Amino acid sequence: EAQVTQNPRYLITVTGKKLTVTCSQNMNHEYMSWYRQDPGLGLRQIYYSMNVEVTDKGDVPEGYKVSRKEKRNFPLILESPSPNQTSLYFCASSFGNLAGGQETQYFGPGTRLLVL
Amino acid sequence: GENVEQHPSTLSVQEGDSAVIKCTYSDSASNYFPWYKQELGKRPQLIIDIRSNVGEKKDQRIAVTLNKTAKHFSLHITETQPEDSAVYFCAATPAYSGGGADGLTFGKGTHLIIQP
Repeated sequence: EAQVTQNPRYLITVTGKKLTVTCSQNMNHEYMSWYRQDPGLGLRQIYYSMNVEVTDKGDVPEGYKVSRKEKRNFPLILESPSPNQTSLYFCASSFGNLAGGQETQYFGPGTRLLVL
Repeated sequence: GENVEQHPSTLSVQEGDSAVIKCTYSDSASNYFPWYKQELGKRPQLIIDIRSNVGEKKDQRIAVTLNKTAKHFSLHITETQPEDSAVYFCAATPAYSGGGADGLTFGKGTHLIIQP
Protein backbone atom coordinates (compact mmCIF):
# COMPACT_ATOMS: atom_id res chain seq x y z
CA GLU A 1 0.00 0.00 0.00
CA ALA A 2 1.34 3.40 -1.04
CA GLN A 3 1.74 5.58 2.01
CA VAL A 4 3.59 8.21 3.98
CA THR A 5 4.34 7.22 7.57
CA GLN A 6 5.45 9.30 10.53
CA ASN A 7 6.73 8.36 13.95
CA PRO A 8 5.97 8.99 16.68
CA ARG A 9 2.33 9.99 16.30
CA TYR A 10 2.27 11.69 19.70
CA LEU A 11 5.15 13.07 21.72
CA ILE A 12 5.44 14.99 24.97
CA THR A 13 8.87 16.36 25.75
CA VAL A 14 10.59 19.08 27.74
CA THR A 15 12.33 22.24 26.63
CA GLY A 16 15.81 21.63 25.29
CA LYS A 17 15.65 17.86 24.87
CA LYS A 18 16.59 16.98 21.30
CA LEU A 19 14.06 14.97 19.35
CA THR A 20 13.58 13.54 15.88
CA VAL A 21 10.34 12.88 14.04
CA THR A 22 10.77 10.36 11.27
CA CYS A 23 9.01 10.40 7.91
CA SER A 24 9.12 7.65 5.34
CA GLN A 25 7.39 7.11 2.00
CA ASN A 26 7.26 3.98 -0.12
CA MET A 27 6.25 5.60 -3.41
CA ASN A 28 9.74 6.47 -4.67
CA HIS A 29 8.80 10.14 -4.46
CA GLU A 30 11.49 12.73 -5.11
CA TYR A 31 9.87 15.60 -3.28
CA MET A 32 9.23 15.67 0.46
CA SER A 33 8.14 18.45 2.79
CA TRP A 34 7.46 19.16 6.43
CA TYR A 35 4.59 21.36 7.57
CA ARG A 36 3.34 22.49 10.92
CA GLN A 37 -0.33 23.15 11.56
CA ASP A 38 -1.50 25.59 14.19
CA PRO A 39 -5.04 26.79 14.94
CA GLY A 40 -5.98 29.76 12.80
CA LEU A 41 -2.72 29.63 10.85
CA GLY A 42 -3.33 26.72 8.52
CA LEU A 43 -0.39 24.68 7.30
CA ARG A 44 2.99 26.32 7.03
CA GLN A 45 5.98 24.78 5.31
CA ILE A 46 9.07 24.23 7.46
CA TYR A 47 11.53 22.58 5.06
CA TYR A 48 11.37 20.78 1.77
CA SER A 49 13.61 18.46 -0.20
CA MET A 50 13.76 18.03 -3.94
CA ASN A 51 15.90 14.91 -3.84
CA VAL A 52 18.61 13.13 -1.86
CA GLU A 53 20.99 15.62 -0.24
CA VAL A 54 18.95 18.57 -1.59
CA THR A 55 17.01 20.50 1.03
CA ASP A 56 15.86 24.07 1.47
CA LYS A 57 14.02 26.28 3.92
CA GLY A 58 10.30 26.85 3.78
CA ASP A 59 8.39 29.65 5.46
CA VAL A 60 9.09 28.79 9.13
CA PRO A 61 12.46 26.95 9.36
CA GLU A 62 13.77 28.49 12.59
CA GLY A 63 14.48 25.89 15.26
CA TYR A 64 14.30 22.92 12.87
CA LYS A 65 16.75 20.83 10.88
CA VAL A 66 16.20 18.17 8.26
CA SER A 67 18.27 15.67 6.35
CA ARG A 68 17.70 13.61 3.21
CA LYS A 69 20.29 10.88 3.08
CA GLU A 70 17.93 8.39 1.47
CA LYS A 71 15.12 9.00 -0.97
CA ARG A 72 12.44 7.41 1.20
CA ASN A 73 13.28 9.14 4.50
CA PHE A 74 13.06 12.78 5.55
CA PRO A 75 13.47 13.20 9.32
CA LEU A 76 12.66 16.42 11.13
CA ILE A 77 15.06 17.32 13.93
CA LEU A 78 14.43 19.70 16.81
CA GLU A 79 17.83 20.26 18.39
CA SER A 80 16.52 22.26 21.34
CA PRO A 81 12.71 22.25 21.37
CA SER A 82 10.84 25.18 22.85
CA PRO A 83 7.18 25.51 23.87
CA ASN A 84 6.40 27.56 20.72
CA GLN A 85 7.16 24.44 18.71
CA THR A 86 4.17 22.70 20.23
CA SER A 87 2.16 21.90 17.14
CA LEU A 88 0.80 19.28 14.78
CA TYR A 89 3.41 18.27 12.21
CA PHE A 90 2.78 16.74 8.81
CA CYS A 91 5.21 15.21 6.40
CA ALA A 92 4.24 15.12 2.73
CA SER A 93 5.66 13.73 -0.48
CA SER A 94 5.10 13.88 -4.21
CA PHE A 95 6.68 12.28 -7.24
CA GLY A 96 7.21 15.29 -9.41
CA ASN A 97 7.31 19.02 -9.32
CA LEU A 98 3.86 20.37 -8.51
CA ALA A 99 4.80 23.65 -10.16
CA GLY A 100 5.36 21.66 -13.31
CA GLY A 101 1.90 20.21 -12.99
CA GLN A 102 2.86 16.60 -12.72
CA GLU A 103 1.81 15.16 -9.43
CA THR A 104 -0.22 15.35 -6.28
CA GLN A 105 1.10 15.73 -2.77
CA TYR A 106 0.32 13.03 -0.17
CA PHE A 107 0.33 13.71 3.56
CA GLY A 108 1.43 11.50 6.42
CA PRO A 109 -0.88 10.93 9.41
CA GLY A 110 0.62 13.72 11.51
CA THR A 111 2.66 13.97 14.71
CA ARG A 112 1.25 15.88 17.64
CA LEU A 113 4.07 17.41 19.66
CA LEU A 114 3.81 19.04 23.08
CA VAL A 115 6.88 20.81 24.45
CA LEU A 116 6.68 21.62 28.15
CA GLY B 1 6.79 34.56 -1.81
CA GLU B 2 3.25 33.39 -2.41
CA ASN B 3 0.42 34.58 -0.16
CA VAL B 4 -2.93 32.81 -0.13
CA GLU B 5 -6.03 34.34 1.47
CA GLN B 6 -9.06 32.15 2.16
CA HIS B 7 -12.63 33.18 3.02
CA PRO B 8 -14.76 32.65 4.96
CA SER B 9 -13.08 31.15 8.00
CA THR B 10 -16.35 29.50 9.04
CA LEU B 11 -19.28 28.60 6.81
CA SER B 12 -22.54 27.09 8.00
CA VAL B 13 -25.07 25.83 5.45
CA GLN B 14 -28.22 23.75 5.55
CA GLU B 15 -27.94 20.18 4.37
CA GLY B 16 -28.74 20.06 0.68
CA ASP B 17 -27.68 23.64 0.00
CA SER B 18 -24.53 24.69 -1.82
CA ALA B 19 -21.30 25.93 -0.23
CA VAL B 20 -18.69 28.17 -1.82
CA ILE B 21 -15.22 28.84 -0.45
CA LYS B 22 -12.99 31.45 -2.07
CA CYS B 23 -9.25 31.94 -2.22
CA THR B 24 -7.00 34.59 -3.68
CA TYR B 25 -3.31 34.30 -4.36
CA SER B 26 -0.54 36.80 -4.99
CA ASP B 27 2.03 35.13 -7.24
CA SER B 28 0.89 35.31 -10.85
CA ALA B 29 3.33 32.52 -11.75
CA SER B 30 1.54 29.98 -9.53
CA ASN B 31 -0.07 27.34 -11.69
CA TYR B 32 -1.32 24.52 -9.46
CA PHE B 33 -4.24 24.97 -7.05
CA PRO B 34 -5.33 22.01 -4.91
CA TRP B 35 -8.08 21.81 -2.34
CA TYR B 36 -7.71 19.65 0.74
CA LYS B 37 -10.34 18.39 3.16
CA GLN B 38 -9.31 17.70 6.73
CA GLU B 39 -11.62 15.89 9.10
CA LEU B 40 -11.10 16.22 12.81
CA GLY B 41 -7.93 14.44 13.89
CA LYS B 42 -7.08 13.32 10.36
CA ARG B 43 -4.53 14.28 7.73
CA PRO B 44 -5.42 16.64 4.87
CA GLN B 45 -6.78 14.73 1.89
CA LEU B 46 -6.78 16.06 -1.63
CA ILE B 47 -10.34 16.38 -2.96
CA ILE B 48 -9.84 18.26 -6.19
CA ASP B 49 -7.18 20.31 -7.94
CA ILE B 50 -6.91 22.56 -10.93
CA ARG B 51 -4.02 23.62 -13.08
CA SER B 52 -3.68 26.95 -14.78
CA ASN B 53 -4.46 25.70 -18.25
CA VAL B 54 -8.14 25.14 -17.35
CA GLY B 55 -10.80 27.42 -15.89
CA GLU B 56 -13.08 24.87 -14.25
CA LYS B 57 -12.99 21.27 -13.12
CA LYS B 58 -15.79 19.17 -11.74
CA ASP B 59 -15.94 15.89 -9.85
CA GLN B 60 -19.46 14.82 -8.91
CA ARG B 61 -20.70 17.28 -6.28
CA ILE B 62 -17.53 19.35 -6.07
CA ALA B 63 -16.10 21.79 -8.56
CA VAL B 64 -13.28 24.29 -8.64
CA THR B 65 -13.09 27.42 -10.75
CA LEU B 66 -10.01 29.47 -11.50
CA ASN B 67 -9.69 33.06 -12.65
CA LYS B 68 -6.02 33.69 -13.39
CA THR B 69 -6.56 37.30 -14.38
CA ALA B 70 -8.10 38.10 -11.01
CA LYS B 71 -5.88 35.58 -9.20
CA HIS B 72 -8.67 33.82 -7.41
CA PHE B 73 -10.09 30.33 -7.29
CA SER B 74 -13.13 28.85 -5.59
CA LEU B 75 -14.43 25.54 -4.33
CA HIS B 76 -18.10 24.75 -4.92
CA ILE B 77 -19.90 21.93 -3.14
CA THR B 78 -23.47 21.22 -4.22
CA GLU B 79 -26.15 19.20 -2.42
CA THR B 80 -24.16 19.27 0.79
CA GLN B 81 -24.29 16.28 3.12
CA PRO B 82 -23.34 15.83 6.78
CA GLU B 83 -20.11 14.08 5.79
CA ASP B 84 -19.00 17.27 4.05
CA SER B 85 -18.48 18.86 7.47
CA ALA B 86 -14.72 19.42 7.80
CA VAL B 87 -12.02 22.05 7.44
CA TYR B 88 -11.14 22.85 3.84
CA PHE B 89 -7.82 24.30 2.77
CA CYS B 90 -6.91 25.88 -0.52
CA ALA B 91 -3.30 26.08 -1.65
CA ALA B 92 -1.12 27.34 -4.47
CA THR B 93 2.35 26.56 -5.66
CA PRO B 94 4.91 29.25 -5.02
CA ALA B 95 7.03 30.32 -7.97
CA TYR B 96 10.69 29.49 -7.43
CA SER B 97 13.14 30.97 -9.89
CA GLY B 98 15.50 28.11 -9.23
CA GLY B 99 12.80 25.65 -10.15
CA GLY B 100 11.70 22.45 -8.55
CA ALA B 101 10.13 23.01 -5.16
CA ASP B 102 6.99 21.09 -4.34
CA GLY B 103 5.97 23.12 -1.33
CA LEU B 104 2.48 24.52 -1.22
CA THR B 105 1.36 27.78 0.34
CA PHE B 106 -1.91 27.15 2.15
CA GLY B 107 -4.82 29.34 3.06
CA LYS B 108 -5.80 29.40 6.72
CA GLY B 109 -8.73 27.09 6.23
CA THR B 110 -12.54 27.20 6.24
CA HIS B 111 -14.54 25.27 8.79
CA LEU B 112 -17.59 24.04 6.91
CA ILE B 113 -20.56 23.08 9.06
CA ILE B 114 -23.49 21.27 7.52
CA GLN B 115 -26.66 21.87 9.54
CA PRO B 116 -29.18 18.99 9.45
